[in-house]
Amino acid sequence: GDSVTQTEGLVTLTEGLPVMLNCTYQTIYSNPFLFWYVQHLNESPRLLLKSFTDNKRTEHQGFHATLHKSSSSFHLQKSSAQLSDSALYYCALSVNNYAQGLTFGLGTRVSVFP
Amino acid sequence: AQTIHQWPVAEIKAVGSPLSLGCTIKGKSSPNLYWYWQATGGTLQQLFYSITVGQVESVVQLNLSASRPKDDQFILSTEKLLLSHSGFYLCAWSLEGGGSDYTFGSGTRLLVI
Repeated sequence: GDSVTQTEGLVTLTEGLPVMLNCTYQTIYSNPFLFWYVQHLNESPRLLLKSFTDNKRTEHQGFHATLHKSSSSFHLQKSSAQLSDSALYYCALSVNNYAQGLTFGLGTRVSVFP
Repeated sequence: AQTIHQWPVAEIKAVGSPLSLGCTIKGKSSPNLYWYWQATGGTLQQLFYSITVGQVESVVQLNLSASRPKDDQFILSTEKLLLSHSGFYLCAWSLEGGGSDYTFGSGTRLLVI
């Protein structure tokens, strides 16, 4: 079946430094949709950005990601982390037009310190 | 604007007792609806999805069942709770198509003791 791999369970960094969260996926479908969701403490997940276009950079709220189908990757990056970026980040995959829902990775917890 | 409402906000229930969680979507007709479960500190596991009234597909049952009695309502239930049912239950909706945004409700926190 489909799967999403996030290699970092926890990322800690100092405010102002860049951050990159890794996401790779596996699917037999040639046109996957990739998403990044952010979940702050005691809240529900919120869509951060999404993409289905190969090699096109997608940006939102200072974060950006590029879907690379050749490497099945959709890494999330930000050039300068803020304290408010501390949260759980989930990479997710959707693969068909019947809206069967999202397959999530295990998530990466980001902690930004002053 | 579309709104998604989940109830209750939180529950503490005894092992073996029944459970019913609800989700209502307003402002969108015929949405696709989903139930997700999140163990404390864990990932989001899809449980069920529904594309239309009266039809529910199971992804992972976990001794739970789901129903869609109305176009805008999605119910998650069980006759007998287990300790392993504790966690955060999230309802979500989307429009047709795999690339549609999936919007989550505020969730229900369940503790089974």
